[in-house]
Amino acid sequence: DQQVKQNSPSLSVQEGRISILNCDYTNSMFDYFLWYKKYPAEGPTFLISISSIKDKNEDGRFTVFLNKSAKHLSLHIVPSQPGDSAVYFCAAINTGTASKLTFGTGTRLQVTL
Amino acid sequence: SAVISQKPSRDICQRGTSLTIQCQVDSQVTMMFWYRQQPGQSLTLIATANQGSEATYESGFVIDKFPISRPNLTFSTLTVSNMSPEDSSIYLCSVLRDSPQETQYFGPGTRLLVL
Repeated sequence: DQQVKQNSPSLSVQEGRISILNCDYTNSMFDYFLWYKKYPAEGPTFLISISSIKDKNEDGRFTVFLNKSAKHLSLHIVPSQPGDSAVYFCAAINTGTASKLTFGTGTRLQVTL
Repeated sequence: SAVISQKPSRDICQRGTSLTIQCQVDSQVTMMFWYRQQPGQSLTLIATANQGSEATYESGFVIDKFPISRPNLTFSTLTVSNMSPEDSSIYLCSVLRDSPQETQYFGPGTRLLVL
């Protein structure tokens, strides 16, 4: 049972435009969400997170939106840069229980010139 | 954040052998985890490494196959035992920091190829 889903395995965006990566979850007990970026041959790098008490969190070019009623979150990158090309993983956790992240399958973002 | 190192960074091993992967963190952490990322798949939690006691394994993973040590709050090892080609994967160490907010950080990973 895939509790965290990233339905788009890949996304291609032109440099300077907005990249929107989507993530859906099924477990209503999740109350904290994270995005990780992963380059080939490296471990995932924490990017940004959001608590379920918020609907938006912004950090520079990265903004995460949370729609609890739809059980949906999205990561916006604007403007997109070639260095943003990587695999992006969405992760969720129920902080009230054992701290165990549940990851999505990832979306490969390619930012083209 | 946390500075996490893993050794080896990659290895090629023969079927039936075992490999021990080391994870070192730059400061004491309560929770350390071991993940696996098989080709084209998401990150899967193998086990939580508990300091001073046996690791807590996720469904589908057993201690005989993936023995884990956690001798102190900055170090852990994962052994992949009696390897088969299906064990070819990236193995990642991860730690949890709860300040300023609860976030999990990952090591660079160990890329394992079993022939």
